[in-house]
Amino acid sequence: DAKTTQPNSMESNEEEPVHLPCNHSTISGTDYIHWYRQLPSQGPEYVIHGLTSNVNNRMASLAIAEDRKSSTLILHRATLRDAAVYYCILRDEAGGTSYGKLTFGQGTILTVHP
Amino acid sequence: KAGVTQTPRYLIKTRGQQVTLSCSPISGHRSVSWYQQTPGQGLQFLFEYFSETQRNKGNFPGRFSGRQFSNSRSEMNVSTLELGDSALYLCASSLAKARAGGLVNEQFFGPGTRLTVL
Repeated sequence: DAKTTQPNSMESNEEEPVHLPCNHSTISGTDYIHWYRQLPSQGPEYVIHGLTSNVNNRMASLAIAEDRKSSTLILHRATLRDAAVYYCILRDEAGGTSYGKLTFGQGTILTVHP
Repeated sequence: KAGVTQTPRYLIKTRGQQVTLSCSPISGHRSVSWYQQTPGQGLQFLFEYFSETQRNKGNFPGRFSGRQFSNSRSEMNVSTLELGDSALYLCASSLAKARAGGLVNEQFFGPGTRLTVL
């Protein structure tokens, strides 16, 4: 699995936007970019995913660089509830047999200040 | 729709014993994956079961095994427990199939089973 690099930690103030970066310079053409987050004392939860185009959903936006070697998860207005560890994960979806496997890195610990 | 459930939530065992953890996926989900989370190694993939067959396997010793039943419920077993097996064991389920317009297949995680080995 291709490797991702994320900052160990980031801080934000409540109600401000947060941009969480992820580098994946060895990404392959069939790798989808997935973001999960893990709130304290909970299992991880899906946030968003994309392949080439920028994506938006009710939780966040995903901006993917044109060369796909990096991406940014955008939380438009951080809340205290968004304090979590955010994981950027690449998953090879060629062949359709790897859907059940996620390779987690160390992630970014996001602290949100009131 | 009910989420992924795991039982038990907490477990204390001693070295050398064996343990079985259970996971009930979201209704309709055919894939069940297991992960181990420790402070030192983070979240590591153990294995995935799909339609009662192990489809993917992580880099863990043979003491770690699992199975999936016809109703998609899954169990994982750890034999001859070691102190280093103390961890949070997470189960996740997914549809594991492509949908029109793109692949979604997000994994839904349970709350985990906290295993302590003394």
